[in-house]
Amino acid sequence: DSGVTQTPKHLITATGQRVTLRCSPRSGDLSVYWYQQSLDQGLQFLIQYYNGEERAKGNILERFSAQQFPDLHSELNLSSLELGDSALYFCASSTPSEGARETQYFGPGTRLLVL
Amino acid sequence: GDSVTQMEGPVTLSEEAFLTINCTYTATGYPSLFWYVQYPGEGLQLLLKATKADDKGSNKGFEATYRKETTSFHLEKGSVQVSDSAVYFCALSDPPKGNEKLTFGTGTRLTIIP
Repeated sequence: DSGVTQTPKHLITATGQRVTLRCSPRSGDLSVYWYQQSLDQGLQFLIQYYNGEERAKGNILERFSAQQFPDLHSELNLSSLELGDSALYFCASSTPSEGARETQYFGPGTRLLVL
Repeated sequence: GDSVTQMEGPVTLSEEAFLTINCTYTATGYPSLFWYVQYPGEGLQLLLKATKADDKGSNKGFEATYRKETTSFHLEKGSVQVSDSAVYFCALSDPPKGNEKLTFGTGTRLTIIP
């Protein structure tokens, strides 16, 4: 158990809908990362938050957004869903500092199926 | 940009065989290197890591050495078990640039047969 929790574990929805995925980082970790794992694109970095602020952005679509709350949990919002958004979404956490090489610990993922 | 190239799978081996999964990287900075493992139906687990040249990461009988001269981080295990069947991902991060995201390889599916 990595200490990172994600809910829900599975999500089935229809095209055009909006969903919210939730992540609670390990105790003491300030950074949260979101990744998407799909068959055609592999594991792709979406976005990183550090202590409530957006820190880095990757291949995140404009239909997707995220935030990190004062209690450090994070939510990934996916809207106007398309079939191609079906994937496994992972959250990871770490406590990076300038020049540090901190390990990222991953949650179990949320499997999203868009029908 | 940064990239990771990983040995294509799937790889099928008999129990107690020697395992090598090749991984090479391209990075503009001085990255940290990782191997993550994903067991069926589960999330990613850190297997081992190395943060500087010639460092050897090891865990559960797996080893990988950070080779800066060949930009490689090959995963090895002397005697695999059926329980090692999983997908293995090589990854890098380059935090000194403030770029802490992980860049992953495509993954190598390993199946061990008894």
